[in-house]
Amino acid sequence: KQEVTQIPAALSVPEGENLVLNCSFTDSAIYNLQWFRQDPGKGLTSLLLIQSSQREQTSGRLNASLDKSSGRSTLYIAASQPGDSATYLCAVRSGNTGTASKLTFGTGTRLQVTL
Amino acid sequence: DAGITQSPRHKVTETGTPVTLRCHQTENHRYMYWYRQDPGHGLRLIHYSYGVKDTDKGEVSDGYSVSRSKTEDFLLTLESATSSQTSVYFCAITSVLQSPLHFGNGTRLTVT
Repeated sequence: KQEVTQIPAALSVPEGENLVLNCSFTDSAIYNLQWFRQDPGKGLTSLLLIQSSQREQTSGRLNASLDKSSGRSTLYIAASQPGDSATYLCAVRSGNTGTASKLTFGTGTRLQVTL
Repeated sequence: DAGITQSPRHKVTETGTPVTLRCHQTENHRYMYWYRQDPGHGLRLIHYSYGVKDTDKGEVSDGYSVSRSKTEDFLLTLESATSSQTSVYFCAITSVLQSPLHFGNGTRLTVT
């Protein structure tokens, strides 16, 4: 059974700092991995999707990397802003058939960027 | 929000009553999912659908049923609501499994 862990559970950084959020998973045979952000009381917004054959994806100030062999992904946020404050969730899709096609979520890292 | 509407947005109901939550999409996506989100447990899959009339159970399906008679609608029914089903319920969709999963804004359900 795939398990996804995100550490730390919470993080506070001053504005302008570069930061890295971590995601680890127990089964390296994944199909793809997706990063989301969730604002309080809202749904999840997709940030980046990395296919199993890819090493990284970039969107603006965000860069996500994937190392399947070590069971890890990182989300790098450059020049953090107060608007980046949210909970960041990592989710792994293990396969493309049946229940393996579902996403298994970590419990998230709550990020606060202070002025 | 990728053309996903969940209804109702909030609901309070009593233990033992049936409840139906609706997810409506305008994207013509094949895959639809129901998740619940609870503190300390994160997001857990209840049921999913890979086409009209094609559904399957997720990891926390007990006490829930689903139906998908049209591509655009995926209904989640709590047969007899219990307090343990108090949660925030999210619907999600995707066209193909290589594509991102997109979420609705959620339904906050309270069972008293």
